Amino acid sequence: DADVTQTPRNRITKTGKRIMLECSQTKGHDRMYWYRQDPGLGLRLIYYSFDVKDINKGEISDGYSVSRQAQAKFSLSLESAIPNQTALYFCASAQGFEQFFGPGTRLTVL
Amino acid sequence: AQSVTQPDIHITVSEGASLELRCNYSYGATPYLFWYVQSPGQGLQLLLKYFSGDTLVQGIKGFEAEFKRSQSSFNLRKPSVHWSDAAEYFCAVGAGNQFYFGTGTSLTVIP
Repeated sequence: DADVTQTPRNRITKTGKRIMLECSQTKGHDRMYWYRQDPGLGLRLIYYSFDVKDINKGEISDGYSVSRQAQAKFSLSLESAIPNQTALYFCASAQGFEQFFGPGTRLTVL
Repeated sequence: AQSVTQPDIHITVSEGASLELRCNYSYGATPYLFWYVQSPGQGLQLLLKYFSGDTLVQGIKGFEAEFKRSQSSFNLRKPSVHWSDAAEYFCAVGAGNQFYFGTGTSLTVIP
């Protein structure tokens, strides 16, 4: 089984809808991250968490929120989706400075 | 501010030829350095990492990278490319509490 899982893997939604992307990890890591990937821009950090009570904004947090429900679970929400949030979203967990990535969620906002 | 630059957006090499992908970073101290590979439709897989010590690091799939402090570079190399190496390659820096990624280099391998 994969160490970092993301659900759903693909999602198409409409402008204004609330969307939640979920991430789970079985590695027992304290640190978890959410990134988005856009063509030509690489990965950009949205939010990161060092434990259940520690949530931090990344480079591009506007329009997003997160919840760390447990050490193993880190969810990303788009409260009111807009088309420029169409992207590939990656979750990662880390122990120290070595990250392990999930397979990604491809989100399309129409 | 920290930044990672991958100056080559796209590289094409012949199978069996050598490969070098460039990465430069901007950071006040010695960062933690990484190379990841992303195959089409897949997540990111760690190829190799540098934290300290020997500046030439070996990774998986026959890749290696060399940290050059004077040039703020961490270039990825492979002596003989295989068709299965065609993918997107990302250089990343771990600095402070965050990671910073380059924009990626897309590698095409021709027979």
